[in-house]
Amino acid sequence: EDKVVQSPLSLVVHEGDTVTLNCSYEVTNFRSLLWYKQEKKAPTFLFMLTSSGIEKKSGRLSSILDKKELSSILNITATQTGDSAIYLCALKVNQAGTALIFGKGTTLSVSS
Amino acid sequence: DAGVIQSPRHEVTEMGQEVTLRCKPISGHDYLFWYRQTMMRGLELLIYFNNNVPIDDSGMPEDRFSAKMPNASFSTLKIQPSEPRDSAVYFCASAVPGELFFGEGSRLTVL
Repeated sequence: EDKVVQSPLSLVVHEGDTVTLNCSYEVTNFRSLLWYKQEKKAPTFLFMLTSSGIEKKSGRLSSILDKKELSSILNITATQTGDSAIYLCALKVNQAGTALIFGKGTTLSVSS
Repeated sequence: DAGVIQSPRHEVTEMGQEVTLRCKPISGHDYLFWYRQTMMRGLELLIYFNNNVPIDDSGMPEDRFSAKMPNASFSTLKIQPSEPRDSAVYFCASAVPGELFFGEGSRLTVL
């Protein structure tokens, strides 16, 4: 059965800290791994990773995939209170590459 | 484009009642997904459609759940009869291959 496991489940940090969120997976047919940020409403897309070892970066956020270890990390440097959210890791697993299996998420709280 | 539109945004109902959640996908998107999110289980894929045809409903928890997509611009998720354990946020999402867009969710509370 395809599975996505995220850790930690929740994290509380101070503004300015750097955090690393983890995602590991077991999947029959890997296509790509995605990271989403969910604040009060719907998840919003952050990154899609398909190739191992290539870092994707957007401002203070970056992510990398390790296909050998079946895992990915999401780094956030110099955290701000606006980074407080649930961060979701998802796998594309269906033939068309559109259905996603999500992990339970990591809830990040950044205090000022 | 207004994005994926879901209704109602919130619903509180009593156990045993029928619940219908509605979704209008983004025009031109071939795929439509229904997800359920709870604290315990995270985001679970319930069912998805391609060109209005259900492709995979293996995530639908029980026969009490049903979903339809009568045309390209409308889908429903129905729970009959509802139970307290169905309380969750139900997300609809639409997609073209490679891009997925979520609605804002329908928060269901079954008392």
